[in-house]
Amino acid sequence: GIQVEQSPPDLILQEGANSTLRCNFSDSVNNLQWFHQNPWGQLINLFYIPSGTKQNGRLSATTVATERYSLLYISSSQTTDSGVYFCAAPDTGRRALTFGSGTRLQVQP
Amino acid sequence: KAGVTQTPRYLIKTRGQQVTLSCSPISGHRSVSWYQQTPGQGLQFLFEYFSETQRNKGNFPGRFSGRQFSNSRSEMNVSTLELGDSALYLCASSSTQGAPGPLHFGNGTRLTVT
Repeated sequence: GIQVEQSPPDLILQEGANSTLRCNFSDSVNNLQWFHQNPWGQLINLFYIPSGTKQNGRLSATTVATERYSLLYISSSQTTDSGVYFCAAPDTGRRALTFGSGTRLQVQP
Repeated sequence: KAGVTQTPRYLIKTRGQQVTLSCSPISGHRSVSWYQQTPGQGLQFLFEYFSETQRNKGNFPGRFSGRQFSNSRSEMNVSTLELGDSALYLCASSSTQGAPGPLHFGNGTRLTVT
């Protein structure tokens, strides 16, 4: 099945800083999803992004499917951005997502 | 529109018992998926249902089973519980019929097996 790798595994930022999270995947995909899991365990879909760039407020994501990677940008980070960020890609031939191991982000005031 | 609802939020069971978890998808969503999340293995796919049919199953033993009802609500069952089944179980729904579309997750059921 597809392999999904995320980097960095951990990230500590000061409030107001910007950051870039990376997701590499081993096979061609027709979509890529980014999620944020808050400290209470809720997993929230941030982006569904087959290719190109999407923006939602201070967050944006870019997927370059031909080079098998996606980036999540967080600008002007806030303490509420803390949590774990996952990317996930469809498993080949299955209607299931394979998740990366996540990037744990801590934003300090 | 109400989100994905999972019940119960927390469960404590003893080894050897069985457990049933429930999931109500977003209204109009016919695809329901289940995932297990543990610190060691991360998020792993359990199974996916669409219109009462299981379309895919992950690499879990037969003790893990599920079903979907005509109103798209889904249940998963774990029999003969083992300590390693302690995890956060997440249900997600999607409006797409084909390849995984945007998944919307519930708050999860945290199962502890003692």
